[in-house]
Amino acid sequence: QQPVQSPQAVILREGEDAVINCSSSKALYSVHWYRQKHGEAPVFLMILLKGGEQKGHDKISASFNEKKQQSSLYLTASQLSYSGTYFCGTESNSGNTPLVFGKGTRLSVIA
Amino acid sequence: KAGVTQTPRYLIKTRGQQVTLSCSPISGHRSVSWYQQTPGQGLQFLFEYFSETQRNKGNFPGRFSGRQFSNSRSEMNVSTLELGDSALYLCASSPLGQGIMANVLTFGAGSRLTVL
Repeated sequence: QQPVQSPQAVILREGEDAVINCSSSKALYSVHWYRQKHGEAPVFLMILLKGGEQKGHDKISASFNEKKQQSSLYLTASQLSYSGTYFCGTESNSGNTPLVFGKGTRLSVIA
Repeated sequence: KAGVTQTPRYLIKTRGQQVTLSCSPISGHRSVSWYQQTPGQGLQFLFEYFSETQRNKGNFPGRFSGRQFSNSRSEMNVSTLELGDSALYLCASSPLGQGIMANVLTFGAGSRLTVL
């Protein structure tokens, strides 16, 4: 099943924060986050394994709540370069199933 | 290190025709996956190949097929094209094997197919 992302779209001013959520009805082994800028290929941001560990990448971090099968991506002090569509991809079993992606969250950061 | 290369980048076909798309993965990556991207639907999984064998298949009709060659390069074919097949087709490669990054995908720029 395709994970559900929310919100579908969000507009931020530079410096504001945002949270993007990704929920699955299936037990997950890992959650991947990718960002796709307009006209470009999706680019890997980070991966979280079951265990609830929070990871960070500059001012972008994420968490994985194994009990809720939910991951959240946190963007703090947003920059214009953060604009794009964010996809979560979920993996059910270690290495045996393909990544299933949500429909994406379109993030627009304005000056 | 060269990225994932997809050809052609753009193509226009008419209904009923067939199309073949090509993908060259990152050197050393043994798995190639294909996704269809349409507005509002996100990335829909088509199939995954590893060592010339289809490892996983998505929920697409039999008109969609693929293969992988011994050098890991992959092709996908769509026969009897329909208007609804218009989309961006993305190829991605991953190293597989062991480690946390084994299933991380590196995407190509995609092949944009328009069916008239």
